[in-house]
Amino acid sequence: EVQVVQSGPQQKKPGESLKISCQLSGYRFSNYWIGWVRQRPEKGLEWVGIIYPGDSDARYSSSLQGQVTLSVDKSISTAYLHWSSLKTSDTARYFCARLLEGAFGDYWGQGTLVTVS
Amino acid sequence: EVVLTQSPATLSLSPGERATLSCRASQSVSYFLAWYQQKPGQAPRLLIYDASKRATGIPARFSGSGSGTDFTLTISSLEPEDFAVYYCQQRRSSLPGTFGGGAKVE
Repeated sequence: EVQVVQSGPQQKKPGESLKISCQLSGYRFSNYWIGWVRQRPEKGLEWVGIIYPGDSDARYSSSLQGQVTLSVDKSISTAYLHWSSLKTSDTARYFCARLLEGAFGDYWGQGTLVTVS
Repeated sequence: EVVLTQSPATLSLSPGERATLSCRASQSVSYFLAWYQQKPGQAPRLLIYDASKRATGIPARFSGSGSGTDFTLTISSLEPEDFAVYYCQQRRSSLPGTFGGGAKVE
């Protein structure tokens, strides 16, 4: 059974750094793209980016390019989303998902709420 | 960037009725379109991908159709648990693509 477990909520100040995690299990980790999606309060879904664990190839949304970094640790089947300098506009719930066909999230984590104020 | 426009923004129906949601793309996305359901406080759930393929475990009352720029999600007979927000999402390249703005079935 595929499972996706994300790290807990975070409360940060503007300018601080942050790394949140997403641990996936129940399948061959290296074989599927992993995506990150942002959802601001009471708003819709937006892609942050995607990463292929096999070779760490990462692609970013044009609006977030340079603002965040995606990475993986294959040894523990975990993906990460990292900010070096948070902004108040980064306040949102962040979901990770295994991607079917490199694009469609078929298994999702519960989301990590990031609050920057 | 491909823009997806969903309509109507809100659909008011009763259990047992048929729901028809539309998603229009600003340019052709072939059949590379998915539909998700999201309930408050929950992660999205994949319903349909590649325009018409049901994801694992999705009931047969959910169906998708369309290609190119016009797509439809149909729920043949609404169950109480189907009242939620629905998003479409396209992919035209190796990026995951874009989401529509969402449509609420209430």
